[in-house]
Amino acid sequence: DTGVSQDPRHKITKRGQNVTFRCDPISEHNRLYWYRQTLGQGPEFLTYFQNEAQLEKSRLLSDRFSAERPKGSFSTLEIQRTEQGDSAMYLCASSLGAVGDWGYEQYFGPGTRLTVT
Amino acid sequence: RKEVEQDPGPFNVPEGATVAFNCTYSNSASQSFFWYRQDCRKEPKLLMSVYSSGNEDGRFTAQLNRASQYISLLIRDSKLSDSATYLCVVNIPSSNTGKLIFGQGTTLQVKP
Repeated sequence: DTGVSQDPRHKITKRGQNVTFRCDPISEHNRLYWYRQTLGQGPEFLTYFQNEAQLEKSRLLSDRFSAERPKGSFSTLEIQRTEQGDSAMYLCASSLGAVGDWGYEQYFGPGTRLTVT
Repeated sequence: RKEVEQDPGPFNVPEGATVAFNCTYSNSASQSFFWYRQDCRKEPKLLMSVYSSGNEDGRFTAQLNRASQYISLLIRDSKLSDSATYLCVVNIPSSNTGKLIFGQGTTLQVKP
């Protein structure tokens, strides 16, 4: 399968615990995005990597959230001290594109569904 | 005003019907537009890009009106399998990012 993959697919955690999600983009894609989606809403942008550089972070991304893409391939999203409001689907997407380009189609992974109890 | 607005529906139509979804966007500098389809509890999947001249892919036709900042999707001869949520997606241009802004989605239910 050459699509975007995410792991785990589901995560149930207790409030206050830390969680980490992984995303493997399509291999030739240099851009990687994280989005969050809650029920009845469209995905909301969280952060974006151009190769290994994190070029933009949404105001939605509080200090408890951190994302990395150390070698410009896979990425991790960590949430520290989880809160019930963090319960959502976390989606990863990848695309081609150089800095300053836009309009390239983004392809999404299956998402990680987080439930904080 | 939301950056991308859609009528959430739901739209309930019989098989074979023609249905149209509309979407408005607020940033006049936006340059790329897409329709994504999302099935229940699944990831969004690209349905089609929207070009200035309008474009068609089988039963699906997308139109863009830059002056009115308006995008539409027309589905002809609806099938049961078209039942899904359709997301209008617009890019927000900036120097470094190609981030996308999604509408809330319009839910379509095609009935036999």
